[in-house]
Amino acid sequence: GAGVSQSPSNKVTEKGKDVELRCDPISGHTALYWYRQRLGQGLEFLIYFQGNSAPDKSGLPSDRFSAERTGESVSTLTIQRTQQEDSAVYLCASSLGSLAEEDTQYFGPGTRLTVL
Amino acid sequence: GEDVEQSLFLSVREGDSSVINCTYTDSSSTYLYWYKQEPGAGLQLLTYIFSNMDMKQDQRLTVLLNKKDKHLSLRIADTQTGDSAIYFCALIGNFNKFYFGSGTKLNVKP
Repeated sequence: GAGVSQSPSNKVTEKGKDVELRCDPISGHTALYWYRQRLGQGLEFLIYFQGNSAPDKSGLPSDRFSAERTGESVSTLTIQRTQQEDSAVYLCASSLGSLAEEDTQYFGPGTRLTVL
Repeated sequence: GEDVEQSLFLSVREGDSSVINCTYTDSSSTYLYWYKQEPGAGLQLLTYIFSNMDMKQDQRLTVLLNKKDKHLSLRIADTQTGDSAIYFCALIGNFNKFYFGSGTKLNVKP
């Protein structure tokens, strides 16, 4: 079946502009995660949605970052007034959301954001 | 939170075995994972091990878990050039939050 998809695959923007990144999770997956991977660094957790619960925003680096999710479907990550240090690959993952069993996360291909 | 550490680079010759190591601080994770990231591609789940196991073998891959030392390793037998990638270990913390290591870049020389 279809995996996690993200759009756009690449985004180049000017410093100070707002950007919106989209994630389409695997159908039926209640949990959705956003991560950031800066060049030469590991994955950095940003935000986590689980069903209708309040999202875990503990990883968002500043108030310029926000994310929404419509029910158990599409999520958008918005970065306002982008800065050069926001340049990174933004990865989305989804999982079944089971807390009782192994809950594998499946990753999308990522959006490469470049802030000039 | 969880600290997950990996060495950054590993270089091996084709046909040799590769061993990628990972250490962590929190021992409450039920499952421990290895992900592979090839150049220009997303993360791919490679294998995982349940925390009550010491070892799991899957074809050329062997995962070893030492809970006492909080050490996880991935052994790739007969390493091929196609195995060149970045390998991340990952643990689940509270509420299914994943903690990833910084990744080990495996370079396989022909």
